[in-house]
Amino acid sequence: EAGVAQSPRYKIIEKRQSVAFWCNPISGHATLYWYQQILGQGPKLLIQFQNNGVVDDSQLPKDRFSAERLKGVDSTLKIQPAKLEDSAVYLCASSSGTRGLKDTQYFGPGTRLTVL
Amino acid sequence: AQSVTQPDIHITVSEGASLELRCNYSYGATPYLFWYVQSPGQGLQLLLKYFSGDTLVQGIKGFEAEFKRSQSSFNLRKPSVHWSDAAEYFCAVVGSARQLTFGSGTQLTVLP
Repeated sequence: EAGVAQSPRYKIIEKRQSVAFWCNPISGHATLYWYQQILGQGPKLLIQFQNNGVVDDSQLPKDRFSAERLKGVDSTLKIQPAKLEDSAVYLCASSSGTRGLKDTQYFGPGTRLTVL
Repeated sequence: AQSVTQPDIHITVSEGASLELRCNYSYGATPYLFWYVQSPGQGLQLLLKYFSGDTLVQGIKGFEAEFKRSQSSFNLRKPSVHWSDAAEYFCAVVGSARQLTFGSGTQLTVLP
């Protein structure tokens, strides 16, 4: 079974530029998550989708970050414009969505973003 | 609000030695607890999880963890560490916030 796929793996941009990340979850997984992991910290949830609807985006900086999952499968996360403090690894995870809080999340390899 | 504390930022052990990584959580009721491992350039991999029942849980790669309600702890252990265990380890909790909240991680170095 294929795991969670993410691209690109690395991205370097200058501040005020825009950037987009792509995630393809495990086939059949209804729930998709985007996390931000700043160096030296644990991952922090940015947004959670159930199929193509948003379940939780309370920690998403909506003035610059946006995410979509139009067909309930793959998803994109965008930052526009980027700031220096957005330098981090962006992790995508998916889960079956059938066990509620007991769902096991499976993580992709992440995209390392450097903002200069 | 739920929170997780991993008091040790970095731990160094010799190969073959035993290992214990500490995790303390803050949550009023019984939380759902997880340990993940992150190797360089890799995503997070689930080692084990606790929902209820037996407080000693077994995971993959020879790891185990014990839930102690009285101490609000969920420490990860391994009797004999291998060089391939060098990685960063994250404890996480699901509680009232209904989302996975991670600790700041413990970096494990294994000496030959």
